[in-house]
Amino acid sequence: NAGVTQTPKFQVLKTGQSMTLQCAQDMNHEYMSWYRQDPGMGLRLIHYSVGAGITDQGEVPNGYNVSRSTTEDFPLRLLSAAPSQTSVYFCASSSLGTGRNTEAFFGQGTRLTVV
Amino acid sequence: AQSVTQPDIHITVSEGASLELRCNYSYGATPYLFWYVQSPGQGLQLLLKYFSGDTLVQGIKGFEAEFKRSQSSFNLRKPSVHWSDAAEYFCAVAAANAGGTSYGKLTFGQGTILTVHP
Repeated sequence: NAGVTQTPKFQVLKTGQSMTLQCAQDMNHEYMSWYRQDPGMGLRLIHYSVGAGITDQGEVPNGYNVSRSTTEDFPLRLLSAAPSQTSVYFCASSSLGTGRNTEAFFGQGTRLTVV
Repeated sequence: AQSVTQPDIHITVSEGASLELRCNYSYGATPYLFWYVQSPGQGLQLLLKYFSGDTLVQGIKGFEAEFKRSQSSFNLRKPSVHWSDAAEYFCAVAAANAGGTSYGKLTFGQGTILTVHP
């Protein structure tokens, strides 16, 4: 029962490097999203997707890119890493609908440091 | 757009004491409301959720929360805190349309760090 799987767990990048954070879910959820967590700011939405081929921007999208080619996968790309992108990144998934089915499930997070 | 405010950044209680963590939200319609807990270095675990119906919601680990529409609040409570409850707690709101279908987007509060003294 994997749920939401994020890789890697830790990453150090140099300024200007690019990388992809991987996220996969095995619950057939339509909705997937990426958040970043910074001290005192809670979690802020970066990008989200309501299904394969459909993505949209969240609150803090600049410097990040996403795609959703399958229901299961939702990778987050850092195009040119900056120190301001040092953060903990969480991927989440949920089913769209009413009531109890809308609970979001979170991955364990990726701790990214940009030097 | 929805928003969530957790007025208390840090709360300290003694083990065995009661706990109340505050959460205020701003949203035009009936929201879906959640409380998550995060232990250091870990992901987020759902404590409880409110969708409709009974305004007092029971969750895991002995937590409960009460939805008060008139106060736009969804405060989390526990009658007797255990040392293992020390963690950071997040309140979140998800938008839904008039038919109750959730759009899935969560807006989080800033979080409240709970310290438990023995």
